[in-house]
Amino acid sequence: AQKVTQAQTEISVVEKEDVTLDCVYETRDTTYYLFWYKQPPSGELVFLIRRNSFDEQNEISGRYSWNFQKSTSSFNFTITASQVVDSAVYFCALSGAFGNEKLTFGTGTRLTIIP
Amino acid sequence: DVKVTQSSRYLVKRTGEKVFLECVQDMDHENMFWYRQDPGLGLRLIYFSYDVKMKEKGDIPEGYSVSREKKERFSLILESASTNQTSMYLCASSSTGGINYGYTFGSGTRLTVV
Repeated sequence: AQKVTQAQTEISVVEKEDVTLDCVYETRDTTYYLFWYKQPPSGELVFLIRRNSFDEQNEISGRYSWNFQKSTSSFNFTITASQVVDSAVYFCALSGAFGNEKLTFGTGTRLTIIP
Repeated sequence: DVKVTQSSRYLVKRTGEKVFLECVQDMDHENMFWYRQDPGLGLRLIYFSYDVKMKEKGDIPEGYSVSREKKERFSLILESASTNQTSMYLCASSSTGGINYGYTFGSGTRLTVV
């Protein structure tokens, strides 16, 4: 069975600080996908990134970066120079591939950026 | 713009009522999913469907059923609503693999059962 663990329930940081959200996953699949979603107070799930299991390159998109480490089954998300607009609940998720695309979510991390 | 549309944003129903939550996607996606979201529990999968008239149980199917008569529409049915089904319900669709593989979520239906 697939499992995603986000051990940090809530994090608060002061604006402009860097913050890392942790994600650890479990799967028996050799091919799988990892996702991060943002859920602002409006409630909609906003897609941030998808990474497949064969691509361990880290990715940077503006102030966001992701660190995928297969050896530790982790897919961590870092926000650099945080802003108030980053306040949201962030979900890490995992799916299989090739007919096993059920998406399994972690319990989420509520991030609050203090002005 | 591609969309997953859920028929109601807010819904209030009485205990024992039969409740239908409707979801429509316009992306010709094969896969459709129903999740419920509760504080501290994240999103939990109720049912999913890989094709028309096909359905599979997710992690918490008890008290729910689904219907997929057309590719674009996936309905969640609460046969006899109970107060512990008060929750946010999210519908999603996805393609089957490929470079554009990803999930699109609806805006959610906040259901209150009184």
